Amino acid sequence: EVVLTQSPVSLPVTLGQPASISCRSSQSLVSSDGSTYLLWFQQRPGQSPRRLIYKISNRDSGVPDRFSGSGSGTDFTLKISRVEAEDVGVYYCMQGTHWPFTFGQGTRLEI
Amino acid sequence: EVQLVESGGGVVQPGGSLRLACAASGFTFSSNWMSWVRQAPGKGLMWVSLINTDGSVTKYADSVKGRFTISRDNAKNMLFLQMNSLRAEDTAVYYCGRGGIDYWGQGTLVTVSS
Repeated sequence: EVVLTQSPVSLPVTLGQPASISCRSSQSLVSSDGSTYLLWFQQRPGQSPRRLIYKISNRDSGVPDRFSGSGSGTDFTLKISRVEAEDVGVYYCMQGTHWPFTFGQGTRLEI
Repeated sequence: EVQLVESGGGVVQPGGSLRLACAASGFTFSSNWMSWVRQAPGKGLMWVSLINTDGSVTKYADSVKGRFTISRDNAKNMLFLQMNSLRAEDTAVYYCGRGGIDYWGQGTLVTVSS
């Protein structure tokens, strides 16, 4: 099973400042079709998760452009250019390359 | 508008069974893989199962294999999860999701307790 390790576990931030979350995989997430199925989800308090990013760096519809994803192979990053109050919650990376699909343990973003 | 509405959660004794359902609308259900993901109280997310468009391919997490069965009814736009031999560690909010997962339901809580 692919293990995804996120850091930090908790991320205190200041409004308007940037934030960065790392996600490292125990093995390469490059699929046999050449794509890398690394996704990022946001879960606000009391809500269902929401997908932000798919295939490393593609933003979902309606996701603000202050969110960006990058990385390759086993090392990935989610960046928020300027944190807003509505960004509070837990962020998860997820891999959909190898079954069973797995999530990171989550990073709690706090203002 | 895409909507996924789960139902069927509740309290069940260890060893018991529950059948979760997910009603889908707002998209072509029969053209999409579907999944179940769960979240134990205060914990992270775990992918439970997925099913392809016609139900011919199903996958399960090792912890539920042999006890849970995913299925779908494309005529009724419904996704199901039959859960047997339930254990305390299956206690969680169960979400249904489209594909990988761009839309999530609101979740249904399953509590396994005596």
